[in-house]
Amino acid sequence: EPEVTQTPSHQVTQMGQEVILRCVPISNHLYFYWYRQILGQKVEFLVSFYNNEISEKSEIFDDQFSVERPDGSNFTLKIRSTKLEDSAMYFCASKRIAKNIQYFGAGTRLSVL
Amino acid sequence: QQQVKQSPQSLIVQKGGISIINCAYENTAFDYFPWYQQFPGKGPALLIAIRPDVSEKKEGRFTISFNKSAKQFSLHIMDSQPGDSATYFCAAHHAGNMLTFGGGTRLMVKP
Repeated sequence: EPEVTQTPSHQVTQMGQEVILRCVPISNHLYFYWYRQILGQKVEFLVSFYNNEISEKSEIFDDQFSVERPDGSNFTLKIRSTKLEDSAMYFCASKRIAKNIQYFGAGTRLSVL
Repeated sequence: QQQVKQSPQSLIVQKGGISIINCAYENTAFDYFPWYQQFPGKGPALLIAIRPDVSEKKEGRFTISFNKSAKQFSLHIMDSQPGDSATYFCAAHHAGNMLTFGGGTRLMVKP
């Protein structure tokens, strides 16, 4: 069964450093998402991406965040200058056009020290 | 208005019992209501979902009950098993394609 894959599974970084989280969505999906989950809290929407541009973003997704689809298979989330409060699980999700079901990856645990 | 409120935060059920998790929403623009199951260290996995024009949907041991007028929906897990022990999230889909998640319910099914 196709799945969303995310790398790395765990990323440790120093405060102020840039990180790039990588995702390979399911191959025939055209909508891509990033969500985050701070430990013990609910899953929060960050950004949605369609047709090579951001379609919607939350208040969390400020100028420190950016997304990119650098090629036909990868979808990345970049945090320019990490803060302690960016420590969380980051989930990538994707879905087919005209369908509501979003499929989630296993997540990347980001630890900012 | 974008919030989805979920209760209880945690739930302990005996094997074979019924687990019930409730959610409430405010935004009438939500058009699709999925439930996700999450095991430790894993991403949320879709369990079952319902549209607001349907009052109930059943898949195996899992049933969603939906009350559009009350803006509430619930997940019932019949004959709960230890393997059902996980965190369950209700969510609501907005036409803008984002999902708004409830706060989660940590379910423990005791053998």
